[in-house]
Amino acid sequence: GDSVTQMEGPVTLSEEAFLTINCTYTATGYPSLFWYVQYPGEGLQLLLKATKADDKGSNKGFEATYRKETTSFHLEKGSVQVSDSAVYFCALSGGGYNKLIFGAGTRLAVHP
Amino acid sequence: EAQVTQNPRYLITVTGKKLTVTCSQNMNHEYMSWYRQDPGLGLRQIYYSMNVEVTDKGDVPEGYKVSRKEKRNFPLILESPSPNQTSLYFCASSFKEPGFNTEAFFGQGTRLTVV
Repeated sequence: GDSVTQMEGPVTLSEEAFLTINCTYTATGYPSLFWYVQYPGEGLQLLLKATKADDKGSNKGFEATYRKETTSFHLEKGSVQVSDSAVYFCALSGGGYNKLIFGAGTRLAVHP
Repeated sequence: EAQVTQNPRYLITVTGKKLTVTCSQNMNHEYMSWYRQDPGLGLRQIYYSMNVEVTDKGDVPEGYKVSRKEKRNFPLILESPSPNQTSLYFCASSFKEPGFNTEAFFGQGTRLTVV
């Protein structure tokens, strides 16, 4: 079945460092891809999305490009802040199943 | 403000004591679902509802029930909770079932502990 694999965390960075969180997927057809963020004590919020190959989603300085050839949707940010500390989930949807399929989540901790 | 509201946020209960976690959305969404979040497993779908009186099982439905009598509400019922249902639960809603370009909105979560 369809699935999402994320790099394991936690990821610990200093402020202003470059961030990459890897995400790869397995899917039949052409899914939509999402990154959700979960700040401490809160629910999940949509961070960015891409709906077709080569689309780039971006928001709050984060970017991810839908790469069909490598089945990847890696999350990047050029300069992280302490306020970016959260858990990040890669997810996909589509293909006729009635749910989002999530990766295991990657915890990011950013220190001053 | 558009939101999904879950109650309670935290709950500690004993094995076998029936409980209900409520979920309400104010966006007139047709699709609602419940997920549980466990370390290393991400979020897994428990049940979903395509509309009023239309519900179906997700990936991990055992031990749970749901109902959808009104469009805005989608309660999760644990008839006889067991310790393996200790988890963080999220309710989510969207205009239609997750698919092309469909954004899901999540509640703040309910942390349930069954002792």
